[in-house]
Amino acid sequence: AQSVTQPDIHITVSEGASLELRCNYSYGATPYLFWYVQSPGQGLQLLLKYFSGDTLVQGIKGFEAEFKRSQSSFNLRKPSVHWSDAAEYFCAVGADSNYQLIWGAGTKLIIKP
Amino acid sequence: SQTIHQWPATLVQPVGSPLSLECTVEGTSNPNLYWYRQAAGRGLQLLFYSVGIGQISSEVPQNLSASRPQDRQFILSSKKLLLSDSGFYLCAWSPGGVGYAFFGQGTRLTVV
Repeated sequence: AQSVTQPDIHITVSEGASLELRCNYSYGATPYLFWYVQSPGQGLQLLLKYFSGDTLVQGIKGFEAEFKRSQSSFNLRKPSVHWSDAAEYFCAVGADSNYQLIWGAGTKLIIKP
Repeated sequence: SQTIHQWPATLVQPVGSPLSLECTVEGTSNPNLYWYRQAAGRGLQLLFYSVGIGQISSEVPQNLSASRPQDRQFILSSKKLLLSDSGFYLCAWSPGGVGYAFFGQGTRLTVV
């Protein structure tokens, strides 16, 4: 079955520290991969996407993600977090053969001052 | 540039009352349109998607319905709300096929 797993429900990181949010997927076809961010009470904003090519993808707000096919992972990273990065982050997987995205349950990022 | 508008931002409705949430997209034509629901502390659940006027696909059997009367207008409705309909409703659009989607700001619906 197709699924996306974000194993960490919450992550707490000190401001200025590095960040890695994990995403693992199970998908039969070649996946398109996405990371979104959601601030409290707001809609979702696309951070970055991977369709093909270079497996290290750069996104907005200083985020990057690396696609590792052998590990079925698409982890999100940032070298130094800012208090404004506190939000919930969602990983999603799709394909060009349908109109649906498969969503992870989200990881809430808490920033310690 | 493309923009998506969703309203109202918050809504408190009594059980058994009707619902109408509206979403419009500007700056693009023939978008794919989506309604999602997000329960507290949980991920996104796709409720409906539409690839064209009058074409609605339902992903979850429920108390809700959707309509697309115009190319860039997507409406989520209910004839009689249930307590379980409470949640955060998000409208989204994508350029075509699957791919990245752009989201509205959401509607917080509380059924009391």
